[in-house]
Parts: sequence; C-alpha cells; structure tokens
Amino acid sequence: DIQMTQSPSTLSAFVGDRVTITCRASQSISTSLAWYQQRPGKAPKLLIYKASSLESGVPSRFSGSGSGTEFTLTISSLQPDDFATYYCQQYNSYWTFGQGTKVEIK
Amino acid sequence: QVQLQQSGPGLMKPSQTLSLTCAISGDSVSSNSAAWNWIRQSPSRGLEWLGRTYYRSKWYYGYAESVKSRIYINSDTSKNQFSLQLTSMTPEDMAVYYCARSQHVDPSKGAFDVWGQGTMVAVSS
Repeated sequence: DIQMTQSPSTLSAFVGDRVTITCRASQSISTSLAWYQQRPGKAPKLLIYKASSLESGVPSRFSGSGSGTEFTLTISSLQPDDFATYYCQQYNSYWTFGQGTKVEIK
Repeated sequence: QVQLQQSGPGLMKPSQTLSLTCAISGDSVSSNSAAWNWIRQSPSRGLEWLGRTYYRSKWYYGYAESVKSRIYINSDTSKNQFSLQLTSMTPEDMAVYYCARSQHVDPSKGAFDVWGQGTMVAVSS
C-alpha cells in the first residue's frame, strides 16, 4: 500500500496569511494526487486533482504543486471560510489518504 | 448538477450486516466515464477507501484488502443507485460511511469529485 504523510498535523494562522501544507508519498505516484477540504460534519470537498489542476468552482487562492513523492497545497491568502481540515489523497494505486492537516484561527 | 443521496441504518449490532444505498441524480450508475465508490472515516483509521463499481461494457467490482472478505457492492440500473453490504460488523467498523464518484479515463484512478452526505454508523449491542 502507498502511505501518505501530511505535515503539519495542525497549523495556526491569521486571516490573510499564506499557508502551505506538505504531503509525501511512500513511493512515486507521478501526479496522481488530489487535495480535499473538510468542514466539521460535512463530506470532503475536492479542491485540486492531478496535483495542480483546480476543480471547477474552487477559488484561485488554492493551488497545488509537486510530482513523484512530494506535493504541496498552498492557500495564498487565508480566508475565514478556509479554516477546516485538509487531506491529500493518492490515486495512482487504489486510493489512500493522508491523516489530515487542521487549519485553525490564530 | 450531480448529487448522491445516501440511505441506510445508523445503528448496528455486532455480527450484523450493514446495508447502505447511494442514489444518483444527474449522472448514470452505468456511465462509461465514472466509477462509484464507498469510503469510510473514523478517528482510528482516518479516511479509508472500501471499494468501487463501474460499467465498461460489463460491470466491474473492486475491494480494499482490509474488507475484501466481508464486502459486497451492487448496482441497480433501474433505480440508478449502488449499494454497500458489509458483513460481520464489529465496533471497529464504527465510522461515517460515504459514497463518492470518481471520473478518469482509467477507472482504477481518479479523484472523488462528488460525495454523498455521509451516514454515521454505530455498532453496539
């Protein structure tokens, strides 16, 4: 199984901050990587697929980069709506998720 | 707009079989470009993919190794829905269960772009 490791587990930031979350795969997954946002009590929402492609309707302040084993999700200017938990997911070989990064208000 | 509506019980007894259904609107369960998945989420196991079904001239099914001996996914074209059955439930199966769509030229790949609302399933005697 491909393991996905996110860092940090928790991140405290101010509105307006630039935020970066990292995801590492245990083996190369090319660009078969997605990022999701999950708010409490809700289903995950797809933000980014194919490592850097923005899902339709997702604000342009979200961006993704990386290939192989190292990936990042960047929020260019954190908004109140963005305080949530973020997950990476590989889909190169079946599907596995990272453990999540909770973005909290500082 | 594609929507997935889940239904099924929220409380199970140990050893019982869980049955959940995911009704599709705005797409077809027999679409040649989609796959239909079940995922669960618990504090101990995180987000865990359980299995999927898709149609490419015939029906295909695939299951995670962790539940392969206990899971069955079915599709119903007349009702445009798919379902999950998980046998021999234990407290370790307590989780929120989601259905989701993936779209990719390769049905063994693809991110999950549409999700059901989730069903919290408790297991208690």
